[in-house]
Amino acid sequence: QSALTQPASVSGSPGQSITISCTGSGSDIGSYALVSWYQHHPGKAPKLIIFDVSQRPSGVSNRFSGSKSGNTASLTISGLQAEDEADYYCCSYAGTSTYVIFGGGTKVTVL
Amino acid sequence: QITLKESGPTLVKPTQTLTLTCTFSGFSLSTSGVGVGWIRQPPGKALEWLALIYWDDDERYSPSLKSRLTITEDTSKNQVVLTMTNMDPVDTATYFCARMYGYRYDYWGQGTLVTVSS
Repeated sequence: QSALTQPASVSGSPGQSITISCTGSGSDIGSYALVSWYQHHPGKAPKLIIFDVSQRPSGVSNRFSGSKSGNTASLTISGLQAEDEADYYCCSYAGTSTYVIFGGGTKVTVL
Repeated sequence: QITLKESGPTLVKPTQTLTLTCTFSGFSLSTSGVGVGWIRQPPGKALEWLALIYWDDDERYSPSLKSRLTITEDTSKNQVVLTMTNMDPVDTATYFCARMYGYRYDYWGQGTLVTVSS
């Protein structure tokens, strides 16, 4: 099964809002409310920022929000800050055969 | 405080078997709902899920790599071991281990870079 589809890059100015899409299929995102999002600064450990489509772990800024419609999940970062510049990956449960599938990653640039 | 740390060789030769160890603390792999998985990232590429072992010893593998992977646990040592056979240069990557809870990877190790080269 192919990776979930994300835009390669998204950019925005400080204070703006950006949205990253993550498109899958009816076998993964479309069938399960089990989408998670990870922030990854190269050279560091990835960080969970959204789970179960729209839930934020304790300690994660409320500037991060998640949603899902059909086969597409989305991550919105509001009030963009310089520290948000990183790679972002979506991930979905994909059933008992494929199990877990990641997106191709999106590089967020703060202009 | 939950921590995970990957260890293993930094360089392996083509056709060799890679053995990576994830040593964790701050949680138990005997706790219901908890798992430890492996994810890798080739240089400049995306994350790729490899394998997962649950508290009840249930094992899950990436379909594309299943024939080459084995994941095991040593609960007494708080370790999870991943073996990957028949290594190839395309397997060069940073390998991460992470705790899974409820279908989310909530804690990650820093990763270990493995290079496959003769």
